[in-house]
Amino acid sequence: NAGVMQNPRHLVRRRGQEARLRCSPMKGHSHVYWYRQLPEEGLKFMVYLQKENIIDESGMPKERFSAEFPKEGPSILRIQQVVRGDSAAYFCASSPPSGVSNQPQHFGDGTRLSIL
Amino acid sequence: AQSVTQPDIHITVSEGASLELRCNYSYGATPYLFWYVQSPGQGLQLLLKYFSGDTLVQGIKGFEAEFKRSQSSFNLRKPSVHWSDAAEYFCAVGNYGGATNKLIFGTGTLLAVQP
Repeated sequence: NAGVMQNPRHLVRRRGQEARLRCSPMKGHSHVYWYRQLPEEGLKFMVYLQKENIIDESGMPKERFSAEFPKEGPSILRIQQVVRGDSAAYFCASSPPSGVSNQPQHFGDGTRLSIL
Repeated sequence: AQSVTQPDIHITVSEGASLELRCNYSYGATPYLFWYVQSPGQGLQLLLKYFSGDTLVQGIKGFEAEFKRSQSSFNLRKPSVHWSDAAEYFCAVGNYGGATNKLIFGTGTLLAVQP
């Protein structure tokens, strides 16, 4: 049973470019979460999505960042016009639908984003 | 405000020694509590979770944690540490099953194991 799949594992971008990070949840999971881990820090929640819906985006920066989870295909975290401060590890997690109790979030291996 | 505090940034223990990693939380409702472990360059692996019931929770790799509501703590323990336990450990709290399932993480404790 495949786990949460994130790609790419490493992404290098120059300032001003766009970064697209992909996340395929575990089979049977319909909830996706994105977290950001800055160097020497813990993970910070960014956004929580269900299929075609953004449920909670309270952790998303107001500009340049967007997320989607379409009906078909992976969830995408998009960062436009990247800056040096966007360098971080971005983790995706997934969980089963509501009503399936006592199921924690399962994490992918992350995408390490480096901005030159 | 909801928060998680891991007061120890780095801990070094000798192989075979016992281990306790501290975690304190601030949360308005009944918390759901988690411990995750992260090896370098990897994602987070769930060690154990507390949702309700018995306050002493058993996890994988010989770890256990005890929920103490009066102290707002959820400390992680292992009676005998192995060299392969060297990693970073994160405590997290969440309103799992509520309107938003987001997790709030502590800043982590980096564990080094001496031979």
